[in-house]
Amino acid sequence: KQEVTQIPAALSVPEGENLVLNCSFTDSAIYNLQWFRQDPGKGLTSLLLIQSSQREQTSGRLNASLDKSSGRSTLYIAASQPGDSATYLCAVSPLEAGTALIFGKGTTLSVSS
Amino acid sequence: EAQVTQNPRYLITVTGKKLTVTCSQNMNHEYMSWYRQDPGLGLRQIYYSMNVEVTDKGDVPEGYKVSRKEKRNFPLILESPSPNQTSLYFCASSPSPYEQYFGPGTRLTVT
Repeated sequence: KQEVTQIPAALSVPEGENLVLNCSFTDSAIYNLQWFRQDPGKGLTSLLLIQSSQREQTSGRLNASLDKSSGRSTLYIAASQPGDSATYLCAVSPLEAGTALIFGKGTTLSVSS
Repeated sequence: EAQVTQNPRYLITVTGKKLTVTCSQNMNHEYMSWYRQDPGLGLRQIYYSMNVEVTDKGDVPEGYKVSRKEKRNFPLILESPSPNQTSLYFCASSPSPYEQYFGPGTRLTVT
């Protein structure tokens, strides 16, 4: 059964630091991997989606990489800002159509000014 | 504006009182699903639908019902809510099962 793990569970950094969030998954048979952002009590905003055939995706200060063979993805945030404070969730989409996205439990990021 | 809407956003109810959480999308997506999010357990899928009149159970379907009579709507029904259904609920839709767009969430408290 696919399992998704995110490390660390929480992270506090000062403003301006570059940081990396980690996501690992146990079954490499995935269709894609998504990174989401969730603000407290709010919905999920999709940040980046990486197809299984891709190695990375970039959006602004965010860069996500995917190493399917090793079951790992990283989300790199450059020059962090207090507005980046949120919980970041990683989710994989299994190959079987209709199967649910499998989510990690998230990394809660706090960026202090 | 393309969006997934849920109503109500917040609901406090009592055990056993039937309730419905509505979900609607304006993107003509075929695939819709419901998730619940609980501390320490993350997001888990309750039910999904691949098209009108086609629904199937997710990982935690017990105590829930759904229907898909129209493409745009996918209501979640709790026939007899219990306190263990207190949670944050998300509806999602997508053009395919492989990426999903989430609604704003419904926070349900059952006392």
